[in-house]
Amino acid sequence: SAVISQKPSRDICQRGTSLTIQCQVDSQVTMMFWYRQQPGQSLTLIATANQGSEATYESGFVIDKFPISRPNLTFSTLTVSNMSPEDSSIYLCSVGQGGETQYFGPGTRLLVL
Amino acid sequence: SQQGEEDPQALSIQEGENATMNCSYKTSINNLQWYRQNSGRGLVHLILIRSNEREKHSGRLRVTLDTSKKSSSLLITASRAADTASYFCATVDTGRRALTFGSGTRLQVQP
Repeated sequence: SAVISQKPSRDICQRGTSLTIQCQVDSQVTMMFWYRQQPGQSLTLIATANQGSEATYESGFVIDKFPISRPNLTFSTLTVSNMSPEDSSIYLCSVGQGGETQYFGPGTRLLVL
Repeated sequence: SQQGEEDPQALSIQEGENATMNCSYKTSINNLQWYRQNSGRGLVHLILIRSNEREKHSGRLRVTLDTSKKSSSLLITASRAADTASYFCATVDTGRRALTFGSGTRLQVQP
């Protein structure tokens, strides 16, 4: 299994600002994913972070709002841009070999005022 | 988008009792997985069952899969207070690599 860390663990931000969340894995992994969990809800996939190319976004999520970088096989960032209170959620990264078990980071709890 | 529904949405039982959670999904899948989440933290993988399997066991966990009904169940036997958490089923749909999550069941085990 992979050990995943996320920074920050939580943050309180003002509307209109942006926050970049980092995801670091202790070993090289093929697939990295970003999920959003709104309060009291289940997880929704935002995008698949592709190493060396643009991320693949799910319906309802766009690059301008959630730009993602993946410069290598152990690191990725997700930026939540021009935030509004509706962006208040837990953001989780996960890794896996694609189609099999995924391992999740501890999550970043974001509150937008 | 979410794959389907889980029921019940919430379940409260006494320690030592069994807990059963059900999950329904909508599409063709490669496998179905169950995860546990404690108090809004990261998810922990519990068990994976493939589309050609009907039942799988892991410790106190028993998972069944009925692909004709597009449904799965998770049974936790002899529950403990430490089992208190939210439980999510998640599918890997045919042709995809990411997980599609169900709505989740909040389990409360009273000591």
